[in-house]
Amino acid sequence: QVQLVESEGDVVQPGRSLRLSCAASGFTFSSHTMHWVRQAPGKGLEWVALISSDGSSKYYADSVRGRFTISRDNFNYALWLQMNSLRRDDTAVYYCARGNGGLEYFDFWGQGTPVTVSS
Amino acid sequence: SYVLTQPPSVSVAPGKTGRITCGGNKIGSKSVHWYQQKPGQAPILIIYNDADRPSGIPERFSGSKSGNTATLTISRVEAGDEADYYCQVWHASSDHVEFGGGTKLTVL
Repeated sequence: QVQLVESEGDVVQPGRSLRLSCAASGFTFSSHTMHWVRQAPGKGLEWVALISSDGSSKYYADSVRGRFTISRDNFNYALWLQMNSLRRDDTAVYYCARGNGGLEYFDFWGQGTPVTVSS
Repeated sequence: SYVLTQPPSVSVAPGKTGRITCGGNKIGSKSVHWYQQKPGQAPILIIYNDADRPSGIPERFSGSKSGNTATLTISRVEAGDEADYYCQVWHASSDHVEFGGGTKLTVL
């Protein structure tokens, strides 16, 4: 069955960096776009980034562009989110999610990992 | 950016029909997807491409669209349907995914 498992989150100081990973299994990873979505405490869902199935195209929310980088390894079924220059408002649960078929809906989600940016 | 507008809350009695709306400019030209999220859990997809249901989602959940509004309809509402619901679209012109602000469904 499809599984998406994020790495453990962390508490990091403002301005520092953190790299999240997502291990995929149970499907042909190289056939799907992959996304990161986050949810700040008590808030709604916010899309963060998208990477195409072959990794050649990447898109970002305005709030993270220039600070976050999405990447993938299709051979090892891995997805990453490199987060630099972290700000307090990046505090959220981060989910990796599988995109589907050009309509870009998310048919499978990871369990989510908490990231807290605090001094 | 493209804005999707949902009511913050909807209340419905058990056994009745609940409707959650999602408004957006020219939403008729976009495919709308819906997610259910219960406290402490990841969202799950309940409707995709306006009105299609993934396997395992009860027929009580249905989607529709008219004009600038998409609607999630939950028939014969149960206590277990109490959750937050989000609509979502892919905004191709800006290569962005957009979520609505979410609607908390309360079962009275």
